[in-house]
Amino acid sequence: EIVLTQSPATLSLSPGERATLSCRASQSVSNYLAWYQQKPGQAPRLLIYDASNRATGIPARFRGSGSGTDFTLTISSLEPEDFAVYYCQHRSNWPPHFGGGTKVEIK
Amino acid sequence: EVQLVESGGGLVQPGRSLRLSCAASGFTFDDYAMHWVRQAPGKGLEWVSGISWNSGTVGYADSVKGRFTISRDNAKNSLYLQMNSLSSEDTALYYCVKDNQISSSWLFDYWGQGTLVIVSS
Repeated sequence: EIVLTQSPATLSLSPGERATLSCRASQSVSNYLAWYQQKPGQAPRLLIYDASNRATGIPARFRGSGSGTDFTLTISSLEPEDFAVYYCQHRSNWPPHFGGGTKVEIK
Repeated sequence: EVQLVESGGGLVQPGRSLRLSCAASGFTFDDYAMHWVRQAPGKGLEWVSGISWNSGTVGYADSVKGRFTISRDNAKNSLYLQMNSLSSEDTALYYCVKDNQISSSWLFDYWGQGTLVIVSS
């Protein structure tokens, strides 16, 4: 099974700052990597699929990059509504796995 | 607008069974694979099971294989999860999730709000 490791576990930033989240796979997942955002009490929402494609309605400040084993989600300038937990997920093979999450909190 | 509404969760004793349902609307249900993903309290996300558009292909996480059964009724736009031999490790919020494709691609583009299952004596 492919394991995804997200870092850091928590990111403390202020609105307007740039957020850089990392997701590392235990073996190559090609570009089959997605990112989800989850706010407290809400279901996850798809942000990025296939490493770098924004899902429908996702603002341009969210950018995904990477391939193989190393991936990054960048939020160029944090808006108040961006403070949440972010999960990466691979769909390279069975079973699909999620990373442990990165919480982006207000500093 | 895509809507996925789960039901059937609740408090159940260890070893007992529970059946979850998901009512789908806002899209052509039989054009997409569907999944169940769960989240234990305060924890991360775990894919549980998936089913292709015509029920021809189903898959399960090792943690539930042999105990859980996924099914769908395209005429009723509904997804189900029969859960048997429940244990405390199955306590979680269970999400009904739409796949991006007709066969399982494991790309989860829409999620319901979840139904909570608590396994406790």
